[in-house]
Amino acid sequence: AQSVTQLGSHVSVSEGALVLLRCNYSSSVPPYLFWYVQYPNQGLQLLLKYTSAATLVKGINGFEAEFKKSETSFHLTKPSAHMSDAAEYFCAVSDVVTGGGNKLTFGTGTQLKVEL
Amino acid sequence: DAGVTQSPTHLIKTRGQQVTLRCSPKSGHDTVSWYQQALGQGPQFIFQYYEEEERQRGNFPDRFSGHQFPNYSSELNVNALLLGDSALYLCASSFGYGNSGANVLTFGAGSRLTVL
Repeated sequence: AQSVTQLGSHVSVSEGALVLLRCNYSSSVPPYLFWYVQYPNQGLQLLLKYTSAATLVKGINGFEAEFKKSETSFHLTKPSAHMSDAAEYFCAVSDVVTGGGNKLTFGTGTQLKVEL
Repeated sequence: DAGVTQSPTHLIKTRGQQVTLRCSPKSGHDTVSWYQQALGQGPQFIFQYYEEEERQRGNFPDRFSGHQFPNYSSELNVNALLLGDSALYLCASSFGYGNSGANVLTFGAGSRLTVL
């Protein structure tokens, strides 16, 4: 079974600083990888996805992630944090089931705090 | 364009009771998945419906059941509620049920269930 590990359940950065949220995956086949963001009392919103087209993936709100097969990593970055980035971030890997369909396996999440 | 809508948003039940949660997928989507998100955890896959049939199931007991209607909307039923069933239940929709793990899921805001 595929899985993802998110290192650091809580990350705190200053406004304007680099944001780096870590995700490592375990997969026996080339994976599809996703980053979702969850704001308080809301559902999950897709930030970006990797589907093997390009290793550097750009998403919404200035976020990007780089797929590194040698490190089995898919870390999320943003050059300059904004107060509105404070939220919980989830990395997920897609399990493709024979015969169709897919399900997402999520990491345990990283709560990002942005301080003035 | 309405996204995924879920009802109710909050509900409180007692142990042993039964609950039904409802989901309307995003316009144009035909596949519905349900996830359980316990406090402080990532979402966990419950099951997925396509063409009114349960196509995949996660590691959840038979107390969890579902249904998909001809208009693609879906229900999640949980019988004999336990304290541990307290969680945010997320519905996600997508289009198509091919072999592509790259299908993007659109999530609703969830139904928060508290079991006392």
